[in-house]
Amino acid sequence: DQQVKQNSPSLRVQEGRISILNCDYTNSMFDYFLWYKKYPAEGPTFLISISSIKDKNEDGRFTVFLNKSAKHLSLHIVPSQPGDSAVYFCAASGGPNFGNEKLTFGTGTRLTIIP
Amino acid sequence: DTGVSQDPRHKITKRGQNVTFRCDPISEHNRLYWYRQTLGQGPEFLTYFQNEAQLEKSRLLSDRFSAERPKGSFSTLEIQRTEQGDSAMYLCASSRQGPEAFFGQGTRLTVV
Repeated sequence: DQQVKQNSPSLRVQEGRISILNCDYTNSMFDYFLWYKKYPAEGPTFLISISSIKDKNEDGRFTVFLNKSAKHLSLHIVPSQPGDSAVYFCAASGGPNFGNEKLTFGTGTRLTIIP
Repeated sequence: DTGVSQDPRHKITKRGQNVTFRCDPISEHNRLYWYRQTLGQGPEFLTYFQNEAQLEKSRLLSDRFSAERPKGSFSTLEIQRTEQGDSAMYLCASSRQGPEAFFGQGTRLTVV
């Protein structure tokens, strides 16, 4: 039962354009959402997060949007740069509702920025 | 800030052997998590410590797996009688508060 879904395994975007990565979830108990970036042979690196009480959070070139009614979130990267090429994981946490703040991850989207 | 450190980075073992991995979290972080990642999948939760107490174990964690965190500092994950299906990247993460966890570089286990 995949509670966090990233339906696009890969995405190719031209340098300078906007990259939009999507994520859907099924568990309405999730109340905090995160995006991680992963390079080969390294652990995931935290990028940006959003609480369920917000619908948008911005940090530099990265913006995360949350649509609770649709159980959907997206990560926008603008402008996209070659160093953004990596696998991006969406993750969700139920916080205290789950007893701890363990993360449930999607399967990832491989983003390739074309120079 | 030295980050989360995992050792070894790579381990190749024969089926049936025991292996042990170590994780050193960020020093002021009292929460420590182990995850496992296989090819094409996202990390999957294995177990969680708050200080030295192991508070949750996933049903993914068979009785061949054991984890400890003595004195609430570093943690070890042991796999006994390894099987080929145990081949994966084992990731450790730590946090102080909130869901934002910081991951180590992982230990890649290959069982031959």
